[in-house]
Amino acid sequence: DQQVKQNSPSLSVQEGRISILNCDYTNSMFDYFLWYKKYPAEGPTFLISISSIKDKNEDGRFTVFLNKSAKHLSLHIVPSQPGDSAVYFCAARSDTGTASKLTFGTGTRLQVTL
Amino acid sequence: DVKVTQSSRYLVKRTGEKVFLECVQDMDHENMFWYRQDPGLGLRLIYFSYDVKMKEKGDIPEGYSVSREKKERFSLILESASTNQTSMYLCASSLPTGGFAEAFFGQGTRLTVV
Repeated sequence: DQQVKQNSPSLSVQEGRISILNCDYTNSMFDYFLWYKKYPAEGPTFLISISSIKDKNEDGRFTVFLNKSAKHLSLHIVPSQPGDSAVYFCAARSDTGTASKLTFGTGTRLQVTL
Repeated sequence: DVKVTQSSRYLVKRTGEKVFLECVQDMDHENMFWYRQDPGLGLRLIYFSYDVKMKEKGDIPEGYSVSREKKERFSLILESASTNQTSMYLCASSLPTGGFAEAFFGQGTRLTVV
């Protein structure tokens, strides 16, 4: 049962335009949502997060929006740059009682073209 | 600069071998995690540990075990490697519940079982 879903396996965007990556979740107990970026043969690197009590968080070119009623979040990258080409994973944090763990989506491969 | 280091970038092992994947973090984090990444499946949690000698099963623990004898080190053990365990293995660490949400990842170990 996939609790965190990224329904678009890939996305192609022109340089300078906005990239919008989407993520849906099913578990209402998630308290934080995160986006990670991953290049081939490297570990994921943290990009930006949002608490479940917020609806928007912005960091430079990256903005994450959270719609709790729809159980949906999105990552906006503007303007998109070629170096943004990577796989982006959405993750959600839950508390097991002994530790907090992250549940990841399946990823969206973003390609920024010239 | 935070650091999670995995002992090998690439490993090739034979079916039936016992395989050890090592991970060390220098951030004094309580939580450590092992994930595997497969195409179309994202990152899936195998096991995690919230303290020395403490461990919990993740979503796909079958065929794996773990060891955490020291706070900074978390080992993943494949008891008898099989070809369906060919994958990218990622170690991560994080603060305990209530701390920052993000987990920090190592560079990954690409394991091939032949």
